[in-house]
Amino acid sequence: ETGVTQTPRHLVMGMTNKKSLKCEQHLGHNAMYWYKQSAKKPLELMFVYSLEERVENNSVPSRFSPECPNSSHLFLHLHTLQPEDSALYLCASSQDAAPTYEQYFGPGTRLTVT
Amino acid sequence: AQKVTQAQTEISVVEKEDVTLDCVYETRDTTYYLFWYKQPPSGELVFLIRRNSFDEQNEISGRYSWNFQKSTSSFNFTITASQVVDSAVYFCALSELTGANSKLTFGKGITLSVRP
Repeated sequence: ETGVTQTPRHLVMGMTNKKSLKCEQHLGHNAMYWYKQSAKKPLELMFVYSLEERVENNSVPSRFSPECPNSSHLFLHLHTLQPEDSALYLCASSQDAAPTYEQYFGPGTRLTVT
Repeated sequence: AQKVTQAQTEISVVEKEDVTLDCVYETRDTTYYLFWYKQPPSGELVFLIRRNSFDEQNEISGRYSWNFQKSTSSFNFTITASQVVDSAVYFCALSELTGANSKLTFGKGITLSVRP
């Protein structure tokens, strides 16, 4: 596979469930990101990892828990979500976290919380 | 704080028309980067162009062209002879250094519909 992949592509979960989103990049990049895209709102940066260390956490509720076991993989663990957390969750990667580099995005996971 | 404004929310054109997507940004940094991304219905954002704050040369790539004007803090994107495949949401984004790492701020996006 090439580029950035995300699984699952669609997820429906109840408020009491625990699930995880997975992202994998095949580009040899050192930085990875999670974004939330809600209808009618700009993309919101959630987390940034550089060389497997979290370098940015934009006041995201603790019900979202990221994990970066290595530079190619990024997870977003979800538990006790709220209906307003329903959104498209996008993963991205870049060569490193410096502003010079463009980010490459995966196709996203469409999450619906019921 | 940095900000990106895409005042147009939806644009509809007929195939072969030219269309310009506007982007205005705010930043206090002297060094920053501007980007355009395309999000087709499949969902993934596709990188189109990067421009740094010291390079005001306009760029053309096929039917796409970009006009960067620091004096008006604008980075507009023009599609010439639009095609149905250009239908997508287009995002302008601004990146500036925050500590050791960048923060990418996106505009709300412009939904472009190209009708046959």
